Amino acid sequence: GAGVSQSPSNKVTEKGKDVELRCDPISGHTALYWYRQRLGQGLEFLIYFQGNSAPDKSGLPSDRFSAERTGESVSTLTIQRTQQEDSAVYLCATTPGGGADTQYFGPGTRLTVL
Amino acid sequence: AQSVSQHNHHVILSEAASLELGCNYSYGGTVNLFWYVQYPGQHLQLLLKYFSGDPLVKGIKGFEAEFIKSKFSFNLRKPSVQWSDTAEYFCAVPVPSYNTDKLIFGTGTRLQVFP
Repeated sequence: GAGVSQSPSNKVTEKGKDVELRCDPISGHTALYWYRQRLGQGLEFLIYFQGNSAPDKSGLPSDRFSAERTGESVSTLTIQRTQQEDSAVYLCATTPGGGADTQYFGPGTRLTVL
Repeated sequence: AQSVSQHNHHVILSEAASLELGCNYSYGGTVNLFWYVQYPGQHLQLLLKYFSGDPLVKGIKGFEAEFIKSKFSFNLRKPSVQWSDTAEYFCAVPVPSYNTDKLIFGTGTRLQVFP
């Protein structure tokens, strides 16, 4: 497939457990974003990777959230000690270059914390 | 902090009605502007974008948006909506990040069109 893929599509976890979400970008796309979309709300920027530059982590809501990406490959978003307020759809988007490029979104991972 | 505001949270229209969704941004630098759409059960996708030139931008499915610099606005319009336009619409603007731009989205407008 040529699009952005994310896994798992749905994740149900218990409060306090760690979760790892995965994003497979479109091949050759240097920029990768993670967003959070809570029910009835807009897209909340979390983190942005651009090639091998230092990521922009300014949107991460707490130190329980972290993300990694090696070069232009797969990215993982990790949430430690999950809380109920972490329940949301987590979206990944990639662009061929910088932020003014069209973003291509994945289907998202719906996270439910019980 | 830079922000994007969409004042219409939920809009309900009948088919053939005209549509205008508001979008205002606070960033005063060089402006590129986007509208994205999310149809039910589908991914977010680009509807239209403004980079430079003619401030009236045409997008897919008969949508257009007008960039008015003096009003910091980029409102989305369609003269006659269809049931298939039912979706959530997001306005977005790139703002400076550490080494390039990142995209900031508004909170979205949910459009429901009834036959």
